[in-house]
Formats: sequence, C-alpha cells, structure tokens
Amino acid sequence: GQQLNQSPQSMFIQEGEDVSMNCTSSSIFNTWLWYKQDPGEGPVLLIALYKAGELTSNGRLTAQFGITRKDSFLNISASIPSDVGIYFCAGLFNDMRFGAGTRLTVKP
Amino acid sequence: NAGVMQNPRHLVRRRGQEARLRCSPMKGHSHVYWYRQLPEEGLKFMVYLQKENIIDESGMPKERFSAEFPKEGPSILRIQQVVRGDSAAYFCASSPRARSQTNTEAFFGQGTRLTVV
Repeated sequence: GQQLNQSPQSMFIQEGEDVSMNCTSSSIFNTWLWYKQDPGEGPVLLIALYKAGELTSNGRLTAQFGITRKDSFLNISASIPSDVGIYFCAGLFNDMRFGAGTRLTVKP
Repeated sequence: NAGVMQNPRHLVRRRGQEARLRCSPMKGHSHVYWYRQLPEEGLKFMVYLQKENIIDESGMPKERFSAEFPKEGPSILRIQQVVRGDSAAYFCASSPRARSQTNTEAFFGQGTRLTVV
C-alpha cells in the first residue's frame, strides 16, 4: 500500500508559535491517528479520530478528520521546547499506513 | 495496565546469525503490527497478525523474515541469516480491534534496535 503524503517534512519555529501539519491520501480511511516520536523511543499516540469531520483536542493539540476521509491535519498551539520530535499520521481501513513524518524543532 | 512490551531493547548480531524480536501486546489486544524504521525515516509496514493468524504480510521480505503470534505468548519477528542491511529499529504495535473496524487505535512498544556487525 502507498504511504500517506505528510507535510511539511520539517519545521523550525520559535517557542510560542502555532504549528500546522497535514496528511493526505488517495485512499479513504475510517480512522486517523496522530503520533509523536522522541529520539530512541516508540511512537506515542496523541489523538485518534473516528468520524469524517470530527475535530478533537488534547491540550494544545487539535486534529481534524477530513470530510472526504482522505485527509487529516494536526495543529499545535503555543509551542514549547518539549514539543520537539517527529509527528506521524496514520490512516486505518484495510491497512494501517503512515506518513513519512514531520520533524519539529522549537527554538526557545 | 502495562503498555506494549518489546524485548530486547537492543540486539547485536553477527552476519549470518538469527535475530528474534519479541512483542507482548497490551492486555486484551489480539492484533499486532510490526514496522521497521531506518534512521531519519518513517515507519515501514511489515506484517499484521491476529492471534494464530497472519492477516497481511505484504510488507515482509520474501526470504529470511517470518512472524508469528501464537495463542499463548508474545508475537515473534524472526530474521534468519541477518545481513548488515537488516540493521534498523523494529517496532510493534497492538490494537484491540481489526484495522478495518471503526473506533480502533494502535499503541506502540519502545522498539528493538537491531545492529548487525
């Protein structure tokens, strides 16, 4: 199966700024998951989305399941240094595929 | 409720040896995925298993790699006759429901870092 198209590949931002990243696919999914991975660790689940159009928040994180079921975005508001890491999207339906990741760097 | 447990965390093997990577899913989870990750890269799907069944092995190399998830015990990813190119981090994830079902989610272990020398 095809990997998801995740963008941007990397972001360098100042502490306090908002961040937005997204994933798109030519296939539809019935679940979108967003993960964060720190160096040397496994991905940690941040947000799960189950319905088209669903908007879900987890603290400073907000994610949406696209209406077409082919895309999703993740926003991080008021970034802090510990937000540094790689963020992955994953779509599930007949398989579970991942985006290539967005590498986030936050400058204090 | 313990998370997904993978062991060992680090594994060093000489070329030609066998590597066995273990994954104990979260309690109540009967679905396991294995992924491979190279440095600075994303997660590449290898295999999806349900208890005692391989559901999708489309990402597994045809030779030397095998996976199982027995009725009792952890899921095992086995790499025979390892080569330098097998060096990578291998992650497993477990889920309580099939990937095609709604309202499912998957949780990852901390991975096994395989180094072939």
